[in-house]
Amino acid sequence: NAGVTQTPKFQVLKTGQSMTLQCAQDMNHNSMYWYRQDPGMGLRLIYYSASEGTTDKGEVPNGYNVSRLNKREFSLRLESAAPSQTSVYFCASGRQEDTGELFFGEGSRLTVL
Amino acid sequence: GENVEQHPSTLSVQEGDSAVIKCTYSDSASNYFPWYKQELGKRPQLIIDIRSNVGEKKDQRIAVTLNKTAKHFSLHITETQPEDSAVYFCAAKITGGGNKLTFGTGTQLKVEL
Repeated sequence: NAGVTQTPKFQVLKTGQSMTLQCAQDMNHNSMYWYRQDPGMGLRLIYYSASEGTTDKGEVPNGYNVSRLNKREFSLRLESAAPSQTSVYFCASGRQEDTGELFFGEGSRLTVL
Repeated sequence: GENVEQHPSTLSVQEGDSAVIKCTYSDSASNYFPWYKQELGKRPQLIIDIRSNVGEKKDQRIAVTLNKTAKHFSLHITETQPEDSAVYFCAAKITGGGNKLTFGTGTQLKVEL
């Protein structure tokens, strides 16, 4: 099992450019999440999807959109990148019921110039 | 929404000493409290968790305690080793929809030889 796979691992954008971060999980989890990690600020939830066909805003959704393409895939899109979106992005998945354990991808480091 | 505060932000201990990291949460409905460890350049991974119906849980050198009345929970690492050096995140689960975790801001633990 690959677990949670996200691409790309690194990306440099110019202000105003758009891009999509891809995430896929092979653990048959219902729930999927996108977090951003910034120094001193921990992991902040951008968007999540409790199940296929649903998405909800997290703590810091402005400037982002998401798509839950199917049960396996959950993408994050930056329509017009800004320097404030420079961060490390983590995708995660988990079962909705029982424990709250999340399984994270390896992260995507995004730099917006 | 839930708010999780974590202290200290950095912690340096000598090898063999104990380390304690403390967190507080705001939402009394939270019922699941995991701790994640993130080594440098790696993804966060669950190391221990506790549910609200339990006051303490141990797993070898690590333990977590929960005080529901005070809304406090703590991570205790005994006999620290260099490989314990990492960033540790506490989190609290908001009950209902999406199995959503709110993370603390992280503690950088350094175990010195």
